[in-house]
Amino acid sequence: DAKTTQPNSMESNEEEPVHLPCNHSTISGTDYIHWYRQLPSQGPEYVIHGLTSNVNNRMASLAIAEDRKSSTLILHRATLRDAAVYYCILITGNQFYFGTGTSLTVIP
Amino acid sequence: GAVVSQHPSRVICKSGTSVKIECRSLDFQATTMFWYRQFPKQSLMLMATSNEGSKATYEQGVEKDKFLINHASLTLSTLTVTSAHPEDSSFYICSAASGGAYSYNEQFFGPGTRLTVL
Repeated sequence: DAKTTQPNSMESNEEEPVHLPCNHSTISGTDYIHWYRQLPSQGPEYVIHGLTSNVNNRMASLAIAEDRKSSTLILHRATLRDAAVYYCILITGNQFYFGTGTSLTVIP
Repeated sequence: GAVVSQHPSRVICKSGTSVKIECRSLDFQATTMFWYRQFPKQSLMLMATSNEGSKATYEQGVEKDKFLINHASLTLSTLTVTSAHPEDSSFYICSAASGGAYSYNEQFFGPGTRLTVL
């Protein structure tokens, strides 16, 4: 039921920005775009979410394409603690259906 | 942010026994709680959605008689794996939504429970 496509893995150097892409070409008008991340052997952690407009919070920024068929999670300065699996999720109704996510490696 | 706890964090049991996992929202009332299962190197799979005081809604392919869910209060949901077998060994994660299960609400996830069935 996952309706998002993400690269399996990405690498980033420490202290540099990271852009994590997500495609969701079948998004409907009422679907929210949520991003969560999961560290090994832990539950997922909320990162950010949005509907149409770009969003910023203390953790990251979310850039949503004008047609809403894709979005990008932006970590402005990657740290070693940002190494995790990042999930882009479309919320349809009231359930979360996780895709495979992107495993982010941060290189010191 | 809101805190969700799970207990136990790790459990090992013999095949055929039942295991109960608790999920608590510590500082907010959770109208809706969710249970997920995650196998190694795989993504989370939604098992069921439960609303306080009513029966859980199970996803297709999840046996409701094997995975018993009780959501008796706004701060506690339990998952009981009945007659556990080695193939039930997995990482079980719960989450809670404070404002109900709406698409604009974030979910707060517990730390997970690692179940190993021998």
